[in-house]
Amino acid sequence: NAGVTQTPKFQVLKTGQSMTLQCAQDMNHNSMYWYRQDPGMGLRLIYYSASEGTTDKGEVPNGYNVSRLNKREFSLRLESAAPSQTSVYFCASSEGRVSGANVLTFGAGSRLTVL
Amino acid sequence: RKEVEQDPGPFNVPEGATVAFNCTYSNSASQSFFWYRQDCRKEPKLLMSVYSSGNEDGRFTAQLNRASQYISLLIRDSKLSDSATYLCAVRTSGGSYIPTFGRGTSLIVHP
Repeated sequence: NAGVTQTPKFQVLKTGQSMTLQCAQDMNHNSMYWYRQDPGMGLRLIYYSASEGTTDKGEVPNGYNVSRLNKREFSLRLESAAPSQTSVYFCASSEGRVSGANVLTFGAGSRLTVL
Repeated sequence: RKEVEQDPGPFNVPEGATVAFNCTYSNSASQSFFWYRQDCRKEPKLLMSVYSSGNEDGRFTAQLNRASQYISLLIRDSKLSDSATYLCAVRTSGGSYIPTFGRGTSLIVHP
Protein backbone atom coordinates (compact mmCIF):
# COMPACT_ATOMS: atom_id res chain seq x y z
CA ASN A 1 0.00 0.00 0.00
CA ALA A 2 1.25 3.44 -0.92
CA GLY A 3 -0.62 5.15 1.95
CA VAL A 4 -0.58 8.90 1.32
CA THR A 5 1.15 10.11 -1.82
CA GLN A 6 1.81 13.78 -2.46
CA THR A 7 3.40 15.53 -5.41
CA PRO A 8 5.61 17.28 -6.17
CA LYS A 9 8.32 16.54 -3.61
CA PHE A 10 10.16 19.76 -4.37
CA GLN A 11 9.13 22.99 -6.06
CA VAL A 12 10.66 26.41 -6.52
CA LEU A 13 8.34 29.26 -7.41
CA LYS A 14 8.71 32.95 -8.04
CA THR A 15 6.58 35.39 -6.10
CA GLY A 16 3.15 35.65 -7.68
CA GLN A 17 3.21 32.30 -9.42
CA SER A 18 0.54 29.73 -8.74
CA MET A 19 0.75 26.02 -8.17
CA THR A 20 -1.21 23.05 -6.90
CA LEU A 21 0.03 20.38 -4.52
CA GLN A 22 -1.63 17.04 -5.12
CA CYS A 23 -2.43 14.43 -2.50
CA ALA A 24 -4.00 11.00 -2.77
CA GLN A 25 -4.63 8.27 -0.21
CA ASP A 26 -5.50 4.64 -0.79
CA MET A 27 -6.68 3.72 2.72
CA ASN A 28 -10.35 4.62 2.18
CA HIS A 29 -10.02 7.31 4.83
CA ASN A 30 -12.81 9.82 5.28
CA SER A 31 -10.77 12.81 6.39
CA MET A 32 -7.84 14.54 4.77
CA TYR A 33 -5.65 17.43 5.88
CA TRP A 34 -3.02 19.87 4.72
CA TYR A 35 -0.37 21.06 7.18
CA ARG A 36 2.64 23.28 6.84
CA GLN A 37 5.73 22.86 8.99
CA ASP A 38 8.20 25.64 9.60
CA PRO A 39 11.26 25.60 11.87
CA GLY A 40 10.23 26.23 15.46
CA MET A 41 6.54 26.42 14.56
CA GLY A 42 5.53 22.80 14.49
CA LEU A 43 2.71 21.48 12.35
CA ARG A 44 0.04 24.04 11.55
CA LEU A 45 -3.23 23.02 9.98
CA ILE A 46 -4.07 24.89 6.78
CA TYR A 47 -7.29 23.22 5.64
CA TYR A 48 -9.02 19.95 6.23
CA SER A 49 -11.80 17.90 4.72
CA ALA A 50 -13.89 15.89 7.15
CA SER A 51 -15.45 13.89 4.35
CA GLU A 52 -15.87 13.92 0.60
CA GLY A 53 -17.59 17.12 -0.43
CA THR A 54 -16.65 19.20 2.60
CA THR A 55 -13.70 21.45 3.37
CA ASP A 56 -12.95 23.70 6.34
CA LYS A 57 -10.34 26.22 7.32
CA GLY A 58 -7.67 25.36 9.79
CA GLU A 59 -5.30 27.59 11.74
CA VAL A 60 -3.52 29.25 8.79
CA PRO A 61 -5.76 29.22 5.67
CA ASN A 62 -4.91 32.63 4.20
CA GLY A 63 -3.34 32.43 0.75
CA TYR A 64 -4.49 28.88 0.12
CA ASN A 65 -7.43 27.08 -1.43
CA VAL A 66 -8.30 23.41 -1.40
CA SER A 67 -10.39 20.95 -3.36
CA ARG A 68 -11.60 17.57 -2.21
CA LEU A 69 -11.84 16.07 -5.65
CA ASN A 70 -13.16 12.70 -4.47
CA LYS A 71 -12.66 10.47 -1.45
CA ARG A 72 -9.06 9.74 -2.42
CA GLU A 73 -7.77 13.12 -3.49
CA PHE A 74 -7.30 16.46 -1.73
CA SER A 75 -5.37 19.24 -3.44
CA LEU A 76 -3.89 22.47 -2.08
CA ARG A 77 -3.57 25.50 -4.33
CA LEU A 78 -1.46 28.60 -3.93
CA GLU A 79 -2.98 31.23 -6.20
CA SER A 80 -0.25 33.85 -5.85
CA ALA A 81 2.74 32.51 -4.00
CA ALA A 82 4.55 34.68 -1.45
CA PRO A 83 7.94 34.13 0.22
CA SER A 84 6.09 33.60 3.52
CA GLN A 85 4.68 30.42 2.01
CA THR A 86 8.11 28.86 1.78
CA SER A 87 7.65 25.76 3.89
CA VAL A 88 7.33 22.01 3.99
CA TYR A 89 3.77 20.92 3.28
CA PHE A 90 2.36 17.65 4.55
CA CYS A 91 -0.84 16.01 3.46
CA ALA A 92 -2.42 13.56 5.90
CA SER A 93 -5.46 11.36 6.11
CA SER A 94 -7.40 9.58 8.84
CA GLU A 95 -10.59 7.68 9.42
CA GLY A 96 -12.04 10.88 10.87
CA ARG A 97 -14.92 11.18 13.29
CA VAL A 98 -15.83 7.53 12.99
CA SER A 99 -12.63 6.66 14.78
CA GLY A 100 -12.21 7.55 18.42
CA ALA A 101 -8.47 7.72 18.05
CA ASN A 102 -8.28 9.46 14.69
CA VAL A 103 -4.67 8.61 14.00
CA LEU A 104 -3.19 10.56 11.11
CA THR A 105 -1.10 9.05 8.32
CA PHE A 106 1.15 11.58 6.62
CA GLY A 107 2.56 11.85 3.13
CA ALA A 108 6.29 12.29 2.58
CA GLY A 109 6.05 16.05 2.30
CA SER A 110 6.48 18.71 -0.38
CA ARG A 111 9.25 21.26 0.02
CA LEU A 112 8.24 24.56 -1.48
CA THR A 113 10.51 27.56 -1.90
CA VAL A 114 9.11 30.89 -3.03
CA LEU A 115 11.71 33.38 -4.26
CA ARG B 1 -0.74 29.42 27.13
CA LYS B 2 -0.37 27.22 24.07
CA GLU B 3 -2.76 24.30 23.77
CA VAL B 4 0.02 21.71 23.58
CA GLU B 5 3.55 22.50 24.73
CA GLN B 6 6.82 20.63 24.48
CA ASP B 7 10.40 21.44 25.39
CA PRO B 8 12.11 21.71 21.98
CA GLY B 9 15.42 20.38 23.34
CA PRO B 10 17.63 19.10 21.94
CA PHE B 11 18.08 16.33 24.44
CA ASN B 12 21.59 15.06 23.85
CA VAL B 13 22.17 11.62 25.43
CA PRO B 14 24.68 8.78 25.08
CA GLU B 15 23.72 5.39 23.74
CA GLY B 16 22.19 3.24 26.42
CA ALA B 17 20.80 6.15 28.42
CA THR B 18 17.24 6.53 29.58
CA VAL B 19 15.54 9.74 28.53
CA ALA B 20 12.09 11.14 29.15
CA PHE B 21 10.08 13.91 27.53
CA ASN B 22 6.94 15.59 28.74
CA CYS B 23 4.15 17.26 26.85
CA THR B 24 1.64 19.50 28.61
CA TYR B 25 -1.84 20.28 27.37
CA SER B 26 -4.14 23.07 28.44
CA ASN B 27 -7.62 21.67 27.79
CA SER B 28 -8.85 19.43 30.58
CA ALA B 29 -11.41 17.94 28.18
CA SER B 30 -8.63 16.38 26.11
CA GLN B 31 -9.46 12.80 25.37
CA SER B 32 -6.90 11.13 23.11
CA PHE B 33 -3.15 11.37 23.26
CA PHE B 34 -0.40 10.26 20.92
CA TRP B 35 3.32 10.34 20.34
CA TYR B 36 4.57 10.69 16.77
CA ARG B 37 8.15 10.34 15.64
CA GLN B 38 9.62 12.49 12.88
CA ASP B 39 13.00 11.72 11.38
CA CYS B 40 15.00 14.50 9.79
CA ARG B 41 13.39 15.64 6.54
CA LYS B 42 10.72 12.94 6.78
CA GLU B 43 7.05 12.84 7.65
CA PRO B 44 5.69 12.27 11.18
CA LYS B 45 4.73 8.69 11.92
CA LEU B 46 2.69 7.37 14.80
CA LEU B 47 4.96 5.98 17.51
CA MET B 48 2.30 5.07 20.04
CA SER B 49 -1.03 6.07 21.47
CA VAL B 50 -1.14 6.93 25.16
CA TYR B 51 -3.68 5.12 27.29
CA SER B 52 -5.02 6.19 30.66
CA SER B 53 -3.30 3.35 32.47
CA GLY B 54 -0.01 3.91 30.66
CA ASN B 55 1.39 1.61 28.02
CA GLU B 56 4.65 0.14 26.92
CA ASP B 57 6.03 -0.88 23.56
CA GLY B 58 9.46 -2.42 23.87
CA ARG B 59 11.83 0.26 25.09
CA PHE B 60 9.17 2.95 24.94
CA THR B 61 6.76 3.76 27.77
CA ALA B 62 4.00 6.34 27.55
CA GLN B 63 2.19 7.75 30.57
CA LEU B 64 -0.76 10.07 31.04
CA ASN B 65 -1.17 12.32 34.07
CA ARG B 66 -4.63 13.84 33.88
CA ALA B 67 -4.34 15.69 37.18
CA SER B 68 -1.33 17.66 36.00
CA GLN B 69 -2.38 17.57 32.34
CA TYR B 70 0.68 16.11 30.74
CA ILE B 71 1.81 13.02 28.89
CA SER B 72 5.28 11.58 28.96
CA LEU B 73 7.44 9.37 26.80
CA LEU B 74 10.25 7.34 28.36
CA ILE B 75 12.88 5.74 26.16
CA ARG B 76 15.11 3.13 27.79
CA ASP B 77 18.45 1.90 26.46
CA SER B 78 18.61 4.64 23.81
CA LYS B 79 19.88 3.67 20.36
CA LEU B 80 21.51 5.88 17.75
CA SER B 81 18.45 5.20 15.61
CA ASP B 82 16.20 6.83 18.22
CA SER B 83 17.58 10.23 17.16
CA ALA B 84 14.54 12.09 15.86
CA THR B 85 11.98 14.68 16.81
CA TYR B 86 9.12 13.45 18.97
CA LEU B 87 5.79 15.19 18.53
CA CYS B 88 2.93 14.86 20.94
CA ALA B 89 -0.65 15.18 19.72
CA VAL B 90 -3.77 15.76 21.76
CA ARG B 91 -7.41 15.45 20.74
CA THR B 92 -10.20 17.09 22.67
CA SER B 93 -13.57 15.48 23.18
CA GLY B 94 -16.76 17.23 22.19
CA GLY B 95 -15.10 19.53 19.74
CA SER B 96 -12.91 19.07 16.75
CA TYR B 97 -11.78 15.52 16.22
CA ILE B 98 -8.55 16.85 14.81
CA PRO B 99 -5.52 16.43 17.07
CA THR B 100 -3.40 19.43 17.98
CA PHE B 101 0.34 18.87 17.68
CA GLY B 102 3.09 20.15 19.89
CA ARG B 103 6.17 21.66 18.27
CA GLY B 104 8.23 18.59 19.01
CA THR B 105 11.20 17.61 21.15
CA SER B 106 14.48 16.86 19.44
CA LEU B 107 16.48 13.86 20.65
CA ILE B 108 20.08 13.25 19.67
CA VAL B 109 21.64 9.97 20.75
CA HIS B 110 25.43 9.93 20.41
CA PRO B 111 27.94 7.07 20.60
